[in-house]
Amino acid sequence: RKEVEQDPGPFNVPEGATVAFNCTYSNSASQSFFWYRQDCRKEPKLLMSVYSSGNEDGRFTAQLNRASQYISLLIRDSKLSDSATYLCVVIVGGSTLGRLYFGRGTQLTVWP
Amino acid sequence: EPEVTQTPSHQVTQMGQEVILRCVPISNHLYFYWYRQILGQKVEFLVSFYNNEISEKSEIFDDQFSVERPDGSNFTLKIRSTKLEDSAMYFCASSGTGGNGGYTFGSGTRLTVV
Repeated sequence: RKEVEQDPGPFNVPEGATVAFNCTYSNSASQSFFWYRQDCRKEPKLLMSVYSSGNEDGRFTAQLNRASQYISLLIRDSKLSDSATYLCVVIVGGSTLGRLYFGRGTQLTVWP
Repeated sequence: EPEVTQTPSHQVTQMGQEVILRCVPISNHLYFYWYRQILGQKVEFLVSFYNNEISEKSEIFDDQFSVERPDGSNFTLKIRSTKLEDSAMYFCASSGTGGNGGYTFGSGTRLTVV
């Protein structure tokens, strides 16, 4: 069973573009949601948590739709430094220490 | 900014050999994790650890794997008899609060089994 599914991309966009990534999760008991960023051959780094009301951090906006079990990430005014793989991550309820379920990631390349 | 430190950064071992991957979590963190990522695939949970015992483990974490916190600073993953399919990047992570997903990952150990 694939807990978390993402469009693998790649997405290739020019600087300044707006790009959106989508993610679906299969377990309705999922209770916490995140976007992580992973640069090539590096560790995942937390980009932002995703809340039911939606949340924004600078150029990044995350949305959660619990009814559709769908998470999104919107990046506005893309920078070259945004080039990375974006990982959709969930925690399923009942996991004492918060086992993370990762999607395979969506690859983004921002070109000048 | 506090870091999770992993050593070695790259280890090559022969099939059947034992390897120990080492991690130094952030000093005031109490919750520890190992994840792995086979090249080109998703990051997968192996095990979580708290209060000197395993809290949760995945189906990947079979009898050939073990974890230990031998002293107050190190957290190790031992693979007893490595297989070719154990070749992957192994990430250690720690958390100060446990369960909220805001982990700090180490930079990983790339394990190559030949």
